[in-house]
Amino acid sequence: GDSVTQMEGPVTLSEEAFLTINCTYTATGYPSLFWYVQYPGEGLQLLLKATKADDKGSNKGFEATYRKETTSFHLEKGSVQVSDSAVYFCALPSGSGGYNKLIFGAGTRLAVHP
Amino acid sequence: EAQVTQNPRYLITVTGKKLTVTCSQNMNHEYMSWYRQDPGLGLRQIYYSMNVEVTDKGDVPEGYKVSRKEKRNFPLILESPSPNQTSLYFCASSLWGGGTSKWNEQFFGPGTRLTVL
Repeated sequence: GDSVTQMEGPVTLSEEAFLTINCTYTATGYPSLFWYVQYPGEGLQLLLKATKADDKGSNKGFEATYRKETTSFHLEKGSVQVSDSAVYFCALPSGSGGYNKLIFGAGTRLAVHP
Repeated sequence: EAQVTQNPRYLITVTGKKLTVTCSQNMNHEYMSWYRQDPGLGLRQIYYSMNVEVTDKGDVPEGYKVSRKEKRNFPLILESPSPNQTSLYFCASSLWGGGTSKWNEQFFGPGTRLTVL
């Protein structure tokens, strides 16, 4: 079945460091791919998305490229800030007979220190 | 303001005492869903609803019930809670595009942290 695998955290970085959070997926067909972010004490918010192969999603300095050949959707940011500390989830839509849910990775906690 | 609201935000209860977690959205979304979040497991879908009076099981429905009598509300019911239902619960909603070619952005509520003793 469909699945999402994320790198385990926590990831601890200093401010202005480069961030990569790996995400690989298994899916039937070519679904859209998403990154959600969960700040402490809050619900999930959509960070970025890509709807087809080779698309690059971007938002708030974060980027991710939909790579069909490697079934990956890695999240990157060139210079992280303390305010980026959060849990990041990679996700894809799934379901039998049509999309009816999101499948999430386990989440990667990012801690950024001044 | 467009939003998904959940109540209560925090709840501590005892085994076997029926409880309901409410979820309401003001975006006129057809699709609503409940997830639970557990460490190391990400979010897993409990139940979902594609429209009023249409609900279906997700991946982990055991021990839960839902109803969708109005478009805006999608309560989660635990008839006899057990300690293994201690978790963080999220309600989500979206426009429903249907089929296999479209998935609309899901909007999430702030979460309900449930502890069952």
